[in-house]
Amino acid sequence: EAQVTQNPRYLITVTGKKLTVTCSQNMNHEYMSWYRQDPGLGLRQIYYSMNVEVTDKGDVPEGYKVSRKEKRNFPLILESPSPNQTSLYFCASSLQGANYPLHFGNGTRLTVT
Amino acid sequence: DAKTTQPNSMESNEEEPVHLPCNHSTISGTDYIHWYRQLPSQGPEYVIHGLTSNVNNRMASLAIAEDRKSSTLILHRATLRDAAVYYCILRGAGGTSYGKLTFGQGTILTVHP
Repeated sequence: EAQVTQNPRYLITVTGKKLTVTCSQNMNHEYMSWYRQDPGLGLRQIYYSMNVEVTDKGDVPEGYKVSRKEKRNFPLILESPSPNQTSLYFCASSLQGANYPLHFGNGTRLTVT
Repeated sequence: DAKTTQPNSMESNEEEPVHLPCNHSTISGTDYIHWYRQLPSQGPEYVIHGLTSNVNNRMASLAIAEDRKSSTLILHRATLRDAAVYYCILRGAGGTSYGKLTFGQGTILTVHP
């Protein structure tokens, strides 16, 4: 089944403890991206990647890192999480180009205390 | 970045048609208009997209204004399962502009039995 898989679905951590949220897709998509969703603020793009080894900042990249070493994986790294990064995170992927739909994962709910 | 404007909320009765509007007055000639919906506790789901001509698929229809400054997502017969937040976004086709995406607040659709 074609899908975008995020892990974990839920994560509770403490301030400053490095964490990684994984995202993997099995559709051979070149494009992948990360979003965070907060009440009243909608979906905001964190980072995106056009292809392997190519990443770029979205609207809210501060406090996050990403890497794209393989086509199928696009992990989101929080080196020193803070409470304001408590949010619902979504990963998405698509073929390269504007004429293709985005496929989203089911989300990761992160709580930083 | 091109932005979209949608009403905060709309209501409909079951089995009636629903017309969800989206304004995108700063759209460029190569921007594709995409619609996604998000059911409670799920990631956004692709609904439909188009460039200039009206589009139909099994889920919905997309009507695009002649000047492309607005579009309307049409659900022909709303069901309770269509209750969701609907997002209209623009995805640029020029160069790498399809990568950076801006989601608005979306429209919360309530469907009454």
